[in-house]
Amino acid sequence: AQSVTQLDSQVPVFEEAPVELRCNYSSSVSVYLFWYVQYPNQGLQLLLKYLSGSTLVKGINGFEAEFNKSQTSFHLRKPSVHISDTAEYFCAVSEMDSSYKLIFGSGTRLLVRP
Amino acid sequence: DTAVSQTPKYLVTQMGNDKSIKCEQNLGHDTMYWYKQDSKKFLKIMFSYNNKELIINETVPNRFSPKSPDKAHLNLHINSLELGDSAVYFCASSQDRKALYGYTFGSGTRLTVV
Repeated sequence: AQSVTQLDSQVPVFEEAPVELRCNYSSSVSVYLFWYVQYPNQGLQLLLKYLSGSTLVKGINGFEAEFNKSQTSFHLRKPSVHISDTAEYFCAVSEMDSSYKLIFGSGTRLLVRP
Repeated sequence: DTAVSQTPKYLVTQMGNDKSIKCEQNLGHDTMYWYKQDSKKFLKIMFSYNNKELIINETVPNRFSPKSPDKAHLNLHINSLELGDSAVYFCASSQDRKALYGYTFGSGTRLTVV
């Protein structure tokens, strides 16, 4: 069974600084990888996904993530954050087996300060 | 136009009651899901239906019963509510069970059992 680890429960950062949110996963089969964002009192919104091909994927709102198969990681980055990026970020993994069940990490709260 | 809509948005009820949450999607998707988000923001899949057929049924108490009258609707009925059922319940949909385009989430139903 797959699992997803987001080691940082909260990441405080100043506005216009770069940020990296870490995500590691474990699985015995090939996976699809996703990052979702949840703004307060809202549902989750897809930021970006990795299915195959180039390991660097770009998403909405200036975010990007890099898939590293050897380190089983899929870290999310943004070169310059805005106050409006303050939200909860979830990494998720779907195994390419019969279920394609999407399993979420525990989330990382990004807190952008002025 | 709301893509995935859940009703009600808030639900406060007493222990022992029976309640239902409704979900509808107008995206033409084949697959729908229920997720539970606890107070620590952890998201756990409960059920998934593909074209009205139950395909994922996680370890959930029998008091929870999903029903999909058609592929655009997935309702969740909960019997004999307990304090531990308090959480935010999210409905989601995807184009198909592989969900290569990700999930579209509703805005959630905050259930409080008192």
